[in-house]
Amino acid sequence: AQKITQTQPGMFVQEKEAVTLDCTYDTSDPSYGLFWYKQPSSGEMIFLIYQGSYDQQNATEGRYSLNFQKARKSANLVISASQLGDSAMYFCAMRKAQGGSEKLVFGKGTKLTVNP
Amino acid sequence: DSGVTQTPKHLITATGQRVTLRCSPRSGDLSVYWYQQSLDQGLQFLIHYYNGEERAKGNILERFSAQQFPDLHSELNLSSLELGDSALYFCASSAVPDGTQYFGPGTRLLVL
Repeated sequence: AQKITQTQPGMFVQEKEAVTLDCTYDTSDPSYGLFWYKQPSSGEMIFLIYQGSYDQQNATEGRYSLNFQKARKSANLVISASQLGDSAMYFCAMRKAQGGSEKLVFGKGTKLTVNP
Repeated sequence: DSGVTQTPKHLITATGQRVTLRCSPRSGDLSVYWYQQSLDQGLQFLIHYYNGEERAKGNILERFSAQQFPDLHSELNLSSLELGDSALYFCASSAVPDGTQYFGPGTRLLVL
């Protein structure tokens, strides 16, 4: 079964420093997609970054980058130059094919706190 | 702003009641997904519609049902509500079934 594991329930980082949030996944499908979403305390789910299993390069979106290590089945999110507004829950998710549908399977999340 | 809208934002109701949650996808998106987020279960996929047709079901209770209308908006109906149905319900949309899913702001349901 496809599964996402986020082993860090909580992480702390100083403002302006970089932080890495861990995500490992388990799948037997050769084609898959990995996503990171941010959920602030207000509750909405904000899409951050996507990595396809066949993508040759690691994905980047502004201050977000994805450290994709396919052989190790890891897709860690790196946030550079942390800001106070980055304090939130972060969820790693994998797209799972199911009979013509593509649902997301989520990890349990990591709560990031950025300290001034 | 993801472009996905959900109403209402908050809903407080009693056990045994029925409620309807509404979702409007991003302009042009044909796929609508419903997810439930609770403290004990985390984020769980409920159901997926594509252009009015049900594509997949996840951990959706028989008391719950959904549909997608010709204008592509979707409704999630929850009936015979129980305390354990209290959760944040998200709608997400994508242009194609394997595209990036953009989430709405969610409907926070509290069953008393």
